[in-house]
Amino acid sequence: DSGVTQTPKHLITATGQRVTLRCSPRSGDLSVYWYQQSLDQGLQFLIQYYNGEERAKGNILERFSAQQFPDLHSELNLSSLELGDSALYFCASSDRTGGDTQYFGPGTRLTVL
Amino acid sequence: GNSVTQMEGPVTLSEEAFLTINCTYTATGYPSLFWYVQYPGEGLQLLLKATKADDKGSNKGFEATYRKETTSFHLEKGSVQVSDSAVYFCALSDRAGGTSYGKLTFGQGTILTVHP
Repeated sequence: DSGVTQTPKHLITATGQRVTLRCSPRSGDLSVYWYQQSLDQGLQFLIQYYNGEERAKGNILERFSAQQFPDLHSELNLSSLELGDSALYFCASSDRTGGDTQYFGPGTRLTVL
Repeated sequence: GNSVTQMEGPVTLSEEAFLTINCTYTATGYPSLFWYVQYPGEGLQLLLKATKADDKGSNKGFEATYRKETTSFHLEKGSVQVSDSAVYFCALSDRAGGTSYGKLTFGQGTILTVHP
């Protein structure tokens, strides 16, 4: 158990809908990262937050957004969903000292029908 | 930009065989290097890491050495077990500036299957 929690574990929804994925980092970790894992693209970095502020952006679509709250949990919002958004979404966190090891949650599997 | 290339799989071995999964990288600066493992239906677990040239990371019988001259970080294990069957990802960290770190860049993953 990495200490990173993600909810829900599975999500099934329809095209055009909006969903919110939630992540709680390890206790004390200030950085949260979101990744998407799909068969065709592999593991792709989406976005990073550090202590509530956006730190870096990767291959994140404009239909996707994220935020990190004062209690350090993070949410990834996916809107106007398309079939191609079906994937595993992982959250990771890294420690307070700015260390480079990222600890991953179990992931949320999103299926868009 | 940064990139990681892993040997293509899948890799199929018999129990107690020697394992090597090749990983090479392209990066600016001095990234840290990682191997993560993903068991079926689970998230990614850190297997081992190395933060500078010639460092050797090791865990659970797995080893990898950070070779700056060949830009490689090959994963090895002397004797694999059925329980090692999983997907293995090589990754590097992107130094975001100063002492803080940013995203991980992953290789495409290598599926390992170990038969009894």
